[in-house]
Amino acid sequence: DAKTTQPPSMDCAEGRAANLPCNHSTISGNEYVYWYRQIHSQGPQYIIHGLKNNETNEMASLIITEDRKSSTLILPHATLRDTAVYYCIALGMDSSYKLIFGSGTRLLVRP
Amino acid sequence: DGGITQSPKYLFRKEGQNVTLSCEQNLNHDAMYWYRQDPGQGLRLIYYSQIVNDFQKGDIAEGYSVSREKKESFPLTVTSAQKNPTAFYLCASSISGWANQPQHFGDGTRLSIL
Repeated sequence: DAKTTQPPSMDCAEGRAANLPCNHSTISGNEYVYWYRQIHSQGPQYIIHGLKNNETNEMASLIITEDRKSSTLILPHATLRDTAVYYCIALGMDSSYKLIFGSGTRLLVRP
Repeated sequence: DGGITQSPKYLFRKEGQNVTLSCEQNLNHDAMYWYRQDPGQGLRLIYYSQIVNDFQKGDIAEGYSVSREKKESFPLTVTSAQKNPTAFYLCASSISGWANQPQHFGDGTRLSIL
């Protein structure tokens, strides 16, 4: 699976959009981009995933660049409860059963 | 509500003792997984099962055992052979084992040694 690179920390104001970047320059054509988050002492929470097209669900939007080398997770109206560590993962068909979390981005939403 | 239930939330093990962590899902998912998370670390795969009565070792299976006799249940036994069992254990499930199906997690069991 491709390696992903994320900034170690970010912050944003409550009510504003949080844009979390992820670099996955070695991603292969059959690898999906997944986003999870983990709040301290809880299990990881699935947010969204995509292959080539941009995706949106009730939690977030995922924007994948045309060359697929990077993506951005957008939380449109961040709340204090969105404070967590966010993980970007490239998951391929070859090892689809194994999620590998890197160090992630620690997002702090400020009141 | 549909989801994944792990119990207990906290568990203490004495030296030389086997303990079993429960994981139940009512999502009708075929695939189930066990991960271990150490403080400040990512996840490491212990075992996974893509279908009832079948399971495979992950990266760190030594000292652990599992069974998958029912679709909804995937218990993990931490045996006395696991010399460093203190960790946060996470169970997950997905519709299938394919990469386009997300894994959903329970709230975890925190295991400590007395």
